[in-house]
Amino acid sequence: GDSVTQMEGPVTLSEEAFLTINCTYTATGYPSLFWYVQYPGEGLQLLLKATKADDKGSNKGFEATYRKETTSFHLEKGSVQVSDSAVYFCALSPARGSQGNLIFGKGTKLSVKP
Amino acid sequence: EPEVTQTPSHQVTQMGQEVILRCVPISNHLYFYWYRQILGQKVEFLVSFYNNEISEKSEIFDDQFSVERPDGSNFTLKIRSTKLEDSAMYFCASRVGQGATGAYEQYFGPGTRLTVT
Repeated sequence: GDSVTQMEGPVTLSEEAFLTINCTYTATGYPSLFWYVQYPGEGLQLLLKATKADDKGSNKGFEATYRKETTSFHLEKGSVQVSDSAVYFCALSPARGSQGNLIFGKGTKLSVKP
Repeated sequence: EPEVTQTPSHQVTQMGQEVILRCVPISNHLYFYWYRQILGQKVEFLVSFYNNEISEKSEIFDDQFSVERPDGSNFTLKIRSTKLEDSAMYFCASRVGQGATGAYEQYFGPGTRLTVT
């Protein structure tokens, strides 16, 4: 079945460092891909999305490109801030036969130190 | 900004007891979901609900689980006889959108932490 694999955490970075969180997926056809973020004590918030191959999602300085050839959707940010400390989840919505339910990776906890 | 709310934030119950977790989705949304996250594990899909009926459910969603939209605003998840392994964070989500595409954003609530003792 469809699945998402993302890099294990936790990840600890200094402020202004470059961030990459790897995400790869297994799915039939062309799923939609998402990154969600969970700040402490809050629900999951959509960070960015891409719905077809080569699309680039971006928001708040974060970017991810839908790579069909490598089945990847890696999250990047050029300069992280302390306020980016959170848990990041990669997710997919299957291409067909679903009501939009999401399949999540395990989540990667990011801590940014001043 | 409209948001999905969930109550209670934390529920402690004894094994074998029934629990009802409550959610208020965003008012103009049409699709509703429950997910759960066992501590340290993935967020897992449980069930989706559309047009007053279950549209899809996972293997986890067995006969012990049920969902209901009793009054047009609340969306509830009931576990009839809780087990220790039901201890998890339960998230409700909703989205607006017609059809079965996966491209619409799901809005999540803050979750209910269920502890079964």
